[in-house]
Amino acid sequence: QKEVEQDPGPLSVPEGAIVSLNCTYSNSAFQYFMWYRQYSRKGPELLMYTYSSGNKEDGRFTAQVDKSSKYISLFIRDSQPSDSATYLCAMTWQGAQKLVFGQGTRLTINP
Amino acid sequence: KAGVTQTPRYLIKTRGQQVTLSCSPISGHRSVSWYQQTPGQGLQFLFEYFSETQRNKGNFPGRFSGRQFSNSRSEMNVSTLELGDSALYLCASGHSEGANEQFFGPGTRLTVL
Repeated sequence: QKEVEQDPGPLSVPEGAIVSLNCTYSNSAFQYFMWYRQYSRKGPELLMYTYSSGNKEDGRFTAQVDKSSKYISLFIRDSQPSDSATYLCAMTWQGAQKLVFGQGTRLTINP
Repeated sequence: KAGVTQTPRYLIKTRGQQVTLSCSPISGHRSVSWYQQTPGQGLQFLFEYFSETQRNKGNFPGRFSGRQFSNSRSEMNVSTLELGDSALYLCASGHSEGANEQFFGPGTRLTVL
């Protein structure tokens, strides 16, 4: 079993919909949680960075962390065709010196 | 502020050859990590450097090595290339040792024939 599980999709939704992306993990040591967006043939771009449990909002993006359930989510409101990309969750703990990634979810927003 | 730069962007090699990839982190960042990305395995951690010292290493064979220079620039080397080494190699830069917030470069696409 992988430390971080993420449904690879693909996920296809109409423009303007609310998108929900999720990851589950098994290592209770994880403290820092990130979401990256990766466009085709590009490097991952850091979208959200959160520490421990709770919510964080940045524009149309909201990240949620539930450490008790070992479950993290990324919500995209008012989705746009430009949001079409692969979304990767990543996590780590203090002193780990590495990120552990989910497989990535391929998302397409249809105009 | 300039982002992470990686050179070359694309590389084609044949089995048995060796290759060196280069990464320049964001100005002021001293931590550099390397990751391998493949369709089957996703993003996997190779190693992390801070102040010219390797701090952590992933589960890769000894053919994969790296180093960091005093200006924080880093190189990774893969010797005796195998077909399975074909991948996107990503470099990430962080502000401090074991930086949790990491910023990625565009990657080097390596194809081994």
